[in-house]
Amino acid sequence: ETGVTQSPTHLIKTRGQQVTLRCSSQSGHNTVSWYQQALGQGPQFIFQYYREEENGRGNFPPRFSGLQFPNYSSELNVNALELDDSALYLCASSSGQGGDGELFFGEGSRLTVL
Amino acid sequence: GENVEQHPSTLSVQEGDSAVIKCTYSDSASNYFPWYKQELGKGPQLIIDIRSNVGEKKDQRIAVTLNKTAKHFSLHITETQPEDSAVYFCAASKPNFGNEKLTFGTGTRLTIIP
Repeated sequence: ETGVTQSPTHLIKTRGQQVTLRCSSQSGHNTVSWYQQALGQGPQFIFQYYREEENGRGNFPPRFSGLQFPNYSSELNVNALELDDSALYLCASSSGQGGDGELFFGEGSRLTVL
Repeated sequence: GENVEQHPSTLSVQEGDSAVIKCTYSDSASNYFPWYKQELGKGPQLIIDIRSNVGEKKDQRIAVTLNKTAKHFSLHITETQPEDSAVYFCAASKPNFGNEKLTFGTGTRLTIIP
């Protein structure tokens, strides 16, 4: 069974640029959630995708957007990067919509904005 | 929205002793309370969870207790081992159809002293 994989693992961008992060969900999982984890903090929910549609969103501005593909993989896009966007971005997959809350996390993509 | 507070932020215990981490939540509608362990450079991993219809759950050296009236829950690790050293996060959610979202605490860095 393949776990959740994310790419890239590390990247550096400058303010104002755009970034795309990618996630492959665990085999058999159809729901993908994205979290932002600032240094020394707990993860914060960005949004969730189920059947290729956004299925819940946290307190993040519209410049954070995402996609889910038919194979359940997902992308997180962030436009007009700000210094505060520097964080570890975690993707988590689960089975079922509004299910039992058991999330399986990837190892994350660490974004540094200069 | 939901707010989860976690204490202590750091905890050092002698190998073989017990460790206790406590969390409180604000939203009485929350009904799912997982605990995650995050090792350096990795994503959070679910170690145990509890639902609001249960007061206590145990899995080998790890146990979680829930007090719905007081809105707090705790993680107990007995017979601690060096490999228990990590950052632990509590979380809460109120799964409903269409929106599976976890609110995390700020984490506890547990250090096991050999």
